[in-house]
Amino acid sequence: NAGVTQTPKFQVLKTGQSMTLQCAQDMNHNSMYWYRQDPGMGLRLIYYSASEGTTDKGEVPNGYNVSRLNKREFSLRLESAAPSQTSVYFCASSEVGYGTDTQYFGPGTRLTVL
Amino acid sequence: DAKTTQPPSMDCAEGRAANLPCNHSTISGNEYVYWYRQIHSQGPQYIIHGLKNNETNEMASLIITEDRKSSTLILPHATLRDTAVYYCIVRVGGYSTLTFGKGTMLLVSP
Repeated sequence: NAGVTQTPKFQVLKTGQSMTLQCAQDMNHNSMYWYRQDPGMGLRLIYYSASEGTTDKGEVPNGYNVSRLNKREFSLRLESAAPSQTSVYFCASSEVGYGTDTQYFGPGTRLTVL
Repeated sequence: DAKTTQPPSMDCAEGRAANLPCNHSTISGNEYVYWYRQIHSQGPQYIIHGLKNNETNEMASLIITEDRKSSTLILPHATLRDTAVYYCIVRVGGYSTLTFGKGTMLLVSP
């Protein structure tokens, strides 16, 4: 199993450009998440999808949109990129059970907005 | 979710046990203690979690005090590959999102 995969690994954008970050998981998990990590900081939740067909805002949703395409895939879109969105983006997935909700993370996408 | 306090950094000699403390004095009865780590430039990795009993797996041991106000993650024989930022997270069991603080930077030296 590949676990959680993310594409692309690196991306450079100019201010105002748009792009979509892709995430897929092969663990049959119901829940998926998008986080961002700025230098020297912990991860911050952007959006999450508790189950297929639902999405909810996290701590820092402004400037982003998401799509839960199916149970496997959860994409993050930047409609008009800004330098403040320069960050490393991590996708994660989990299966929720009583007393447990272990999240598994992808390798990250390193995004630079000039 | 309850707030956690961790030291910003710790050092450990290779082969020795690494004991990483975490304070969570406002923890509620239904909140679990989770530990994740992040090796440089990689995605976070789940290590272990527990409610009130001590837990052990192939990676580490988790010791939770009887009053549950603090815990210690133990890496029994630290290696250079254990150099990472370690995050202690307190959260309700079942569905809830993770809130990452700044964690503890553990440096394992030869």
